Amino acid sequence: EPEVTQTPSHQVTQMGQEVILRCVPISNHLYFYWYRQILGQKVEFLVSFYNNEISEKSEIFDDQFSVERPDGSNFTLKIRSTKLEDSAMYFCASTTTGTYNSPLHFGNGTRLTVT
Amino acid sequence: QKEVEQNSGPLSVPEGAIASLNCTYSDRVSQSFFWYRQYSGKSPELIMSIYSNGDKEDGRFTAQLNKASQYVSLLIRDSQPSDSATYLCAVNIGDTGRRALTFGSGTRLQVQP
Repeated sequence: EPEVTQTPSHQVTQMGQEVILRCVPISNHLYFYWYRQILGQKVEFLVSFYNNEISEKSEIFDDQFSVERPDGSNFTLKIRSTKLEDSAMYFCASTTTGTYNSPLHFGNGTRLTVT
Repeated sequence: QKEVEQNSGPLSVPEGAIASLNCTYSDRVSQSFFWYRQYSGKSPELIMSIYSNGDKEDGRFTAQLNKASQYVSLLIRDSQPSDSATYLCAVNIGDTGRRALTFGSGTRLQVQP
């Protein structure tokens, strides 16, 4: 079964550094998402992306965050200047049509630790 | 008001019993509802989706939706120790124009052997 692939599985960085989290969505999916989950807390929506542009973003997704689809397969999340509170699991997800009845398929996540 | 609410648990059931997990949501026009299972340190895994009022069965799992009461539930029959996980309710809040899911905080299920 096709799956969403995320790399790296664990990233450790120092406060103030830039990080890029990478994702390869399922090949025939058109809508891409980033979610995060701080340890012990709920899964929170960050941003959705369709047709090479952001279609929706949450309050969490401020100017420190950006997303890009640099080629036909990768989807990246960049955090420009990491803070301690950015430490979390970051999940990439994709769906086929993006309509309300299209379930999200999640990748295995990247655990980001900011020291 | 929280958009998607779940009892955090833990809900403890003996092996072979029925586990009943509940979720309420705030936006009456929400159209689609999902249950995900999340093992500790892992990503959410889709179990069920439901879009219409009533019951939907898939193997040992039954999802129930009552839009009038803004309530969705998940029943797990013949619970197994391997079902021990956190169960996340996710709702597509609002009308069909919003594609991002909003998750509840999850209910931790413990199935005792």
